[in-house]
Amino acid sequence: EIVLTQSPLSLPVTPGEPASISCKSSQSVLHTNGLNYLDWLLHKPGQSPQVLIYLGSNRASGVPDRFSGTGSGTDFTLKISRVEAEDVGVYYCMQSLQWYTFGQGTKLEIQ
Amino acid sequence: EMKLVESGGGLVQPGGSLRLSCAASGFIFSSHFMAWVRQAPGKGLEWLANIKQDGSEQFYSGAVRGRFTISRDNAENALFLQMNSLRAEDTALYYCVRVTTAYGGLDFWGQGTLVTVSS
Repeated sequence: EIVLTQSPLSLPVTPGEPASISCKSSQSVLHTNGLNYLDWLLHKPGQSPQVLIYLGSNRASGVPDRFSGTGSGTDFTLKISRVEAEDVGVYYCMQSLQWYTFGQGTKLEIQ
Repeated sequence: EMKLVESGGGLVQPGGSLRLSCAASGFIFSSHFMAWVRQAPGKGLEWLANIKQDGSEQFYSGAVRGRFTISRDNAENALFLQMNSLRAEDTALYYCVRVTTAYGGLDFWGQGTLVTVSS
């Protein structure tokens, strides 16, 4: 099973400031097709989880461009250039190379 | 507008059974693999099962294989999860999730239905 380890697990951020979340995989999630099977999800309070970034670096439809995903193989990062109040929630990385596993989640809160 | 609406959750005794349903709308249900994912209180997300577009193949995590059965009715745009031999550790919010046709990721989630296993 591919284990995903996120850090930090708690992320207090001041509005307007940047934020960054790391996701490290126990095995490479790089497919033979050259794509990284690593997505980022946001679970806002009272809502269902939504995909922010798919295949490592592609923003899902409707996701603001302040969100970006980078990385390859075993190391990935989600960056928010300027955090807004609506960004609060729990962020998960998820791999879909070998079925599905998820990181532990990073709780972003506004300071 | 795409929707996935789960139902069927509730309180059940250990050893009991429960059948979850998911009503899909706003997309071509029969074109997609579908999945169930759960989240226990205070815990992370856990994939449980996938089912092929035509229902001919099902895939399970080790945690539920042999106890849970995923099925679907494409005529009714519905997904199901039959849960037997329930344990306290099966207490969780259960999500119905669409699998993207592009690369197999989990691209659209329902709101979830809560299952509580307790005596």
